[in-house]
Amino acid sequence: QVQLVQSGAEVKKPGASVKVSCKASAYTFSNYGITWVRQAPGQGLEWMGWISGYNANTNYAQKLQGRVTMTTDTSTSTAYMELRSLRSDDTAVYYCARGSMIKGAPLDYWGQGTLVTVSS
Amino acid sequence: DIQMTQSPSTLSASVGDRVTITCRASQSISSWLAWYQQKPGKAPRLLIYKASSLEGGVPSRFSGSGSGTEFTLTISSLQPDDFATYYCQQYNSYVSTFGPGTKVDIK
Repeated sequence: QVQLVQSGAEVKKPGASVKVSCKASAYTFSNYGITWVRQAPGQGLEWMGWISGYNANTNYAQKLQGRVTMTTDTSTSTAYMELRSLRSDDTAVYYCARGSMIKGAPLDYWGQGTLVTVSS
Repeated sequence: DIQMTQSPSTLSASVGDRVTITCRASQSISSWLAWYQQKPGKAPRLLIYKASSLEGGVPSRFSGSGSGTEFTLTISSLQPDDFATYYCQQYNSYVSTFGPGTKVDIK
């Protein structure tokens, strides 16, 4: 069965960077994209961006441009999301999800989530 | 970016009730809309895609409709497992956005 397994929880200081991984299995990685979504405590879902599993093309949310980088390693079917210059309001659960190559969605399989806490 | 709104933000209902949630887009998104269900501490679950297509394994009491800028998610007979928060997502372009969510709780 399709699975997305994410890396473990992180605690970072303001100004630091975090890199979250998402390892995919049981499907052809290059036939889909990976979307990253975050959810601050008690808040809704925020779309962060999308990366193609085929050619690593990306689209990022405007508010995160310049701070976020999404990459893939097709040899291990793993996607990565790096967020730099962390602030307290970046504290959230970060999810990766599989999406269609055509429109980037719908998001039919999700990782278990990675809690990133930003605190001094 | 396309903005999404949902109404109501909270809905109190009883088991067996028919429930309707509305999602509106700030500009036309054709039928590029999905609905997700999320329970506390869990990842979202895809329910409906392309506005009205039911994802495999999702009970038939869930249905979606609409196109352009106005969409609805209907639960025909609310079950205990359905108390959760529901989000719409537009994917008309590669810059996607989610609605703010509708929490369905027990009346």
